[in-house]
Amino acid sequence: QKEVEQNSGPLSVPEGAIASLNCTYSDRGSQSFFWYRQYSGKSPELIMFIYSNGDKEDGRFTAQLNKASQYVSLLIRDSQPSDSATYLCAVMNSGYSTLTFGKGTMLLVSP
Amino acid sequence: DTGVSQDPRHKITKRGQNVTFRCDPISEHNRLYWYRQTLGQGPEFLTYFQNEAQLEKSRLLSDRFSAERPKGSFSTLEIQRTEQGDSAMYLCASSLEGTQYFGPGTRLLVL
Repeated sequence: QKEVEQNSGPLSVPEGAIASLNCTYSDRGSQSFFWYRQYSGKSPELIMFIYSNGDKEDGRFTAQLNKASQYVSLLIRDSQPSDSATYLCAVMNSGYSTLTFGKGTMLLVSP
Repeated sequence: DTGVSQDPRHKITKRGQNVTFRCDPISEHNRLYWYRQTLGQGPEFLTYFQNEAQLEKSRLLSDRFSAERPKGSFSTLEIQRTEQGDSAMYLCASSLEGTQYFGPGTRLLVL
């Protein structure tokens, strides 16, 4: 059973702070990792993907991957109230095309 | 690029009725996925097409569910004899290779 675990939150941060969202996964064969943002009542929107160990930066977002620890994280710098949403971690396994999602972490950014 | 579209956006039906949802993927994408999401959960994989071939089905996809992608373009998901437990957001995603892009979803309520 492939599992993806996330803290459900809510994670509360003040505007301008760094938000750190974490995700662990059970399948060591996992190859690709994705972060989606989902506003209430809306569908998931892709933020970033990462394939290799280390950091990947895109604007205010940084994804970090540690395959040895089976750990993925997303850092959001200079958090804005508009970043308030649920962040979904998704894992794609080698040889497959489907995604296994965590339950998501709710982020609340207060002005 | 018009993105993934889904129709209808909302559907209310009575228990025991059949419903059909449509998904139009991004035009050049050959892969199409269906997921189901209930409140407080991440999306759960249902089925996956590459072109017109249905390559994988989840155990979640009971015999009341059927999906087609007859010409490798749009897809339909039909639920027969709906049950209250079928109430959920049904999400369609498409991809060319790894990264999946989601449509707006169809929210189903079974009374």
